[in-house]
Amino acid sequence: AQTVTQSQPEMSVQEAETVTLSCTYDTSESDYYLFWYKQPPSRQMILVIRQEAYKQQNATENRFSVNFQKAAKSFSLKISDSQLGDAAMYFCAYRIANAGGTSYGKLTFGQGTILTVHP
Amino acid sequence: SQTIHQWPATLVQPVGSPLSLECTVEGTSNPNLYWYRQAAGRGLQLLFYSVGIGQISSEVPQNLSASRPQDRQFILSSKKLLLSDSGFYLCAWSVPLGGAYNEQFFGPGTRLTVL
Repeated sequence: AQTVTQSQPEMSVQEAETVTLSCTYDTSESDYYLFWYKQPPSRQMILVIRQEAYKQQNATENRFSVNFQKAAKSFSLKISDSQLGDAAMYFCAYRIANAGGTSYGKLTFGQGTILTVHP
Repeated sequence: SQTIHQWPATLVQPVGSPLSLECTVEGTSNPNLYWYRQAAGRGLQLLFYSVGIGQISSEVPQNLSASRPQDRQFILSSKKLLLSDSGFYLCAWSVPLGGAYNEQFFGPGTRLTVL
């Protein structure tokens, strides 16, 4: 079974600094997708960034980037120039790629990392 | 554009009472639908998913059930609530086929407290 582990229950960063959130996963599949979701105090889950396992290039979305190490099964999230609005719980998630042309898209989530941003 | 609604936003129910949470999606057809529970502000646990009307798969045995009476409607129910059913319930949808990522889009959630 696939598992996702976020080893940092809490992290903090100063405004305008950079922070990296860790995520590791366990799978026997070779083709899959990885996601980072953000859950602010409103508790709305928001997709931050996504990565395809067969792509070597790390995904980037503005101030958010990932360091995807497939052999190590590691998928960390880097937030640059941190802003107060980045304060939230961040979840790493895994999904197997389509199998047989049909996928119900089941996501497996980590336990989350609470990020605090200090002004 | 697609939107997803959940209601109620907050619910307080006594132990042993029934439950019905509703989720509807607008702006898409034949979505995959999901119910998650988040306990104590931590990780999300997938409860049910559905790939079509009347098609429900359960991920964990529990006190809850789900139904999909219409294409874009997903209902989470219980006949008798337990204290352990308290939590934050999230509904999500995704495109069933095509699209590289099939990422899930989440509703605003329902906070359920069982007393």
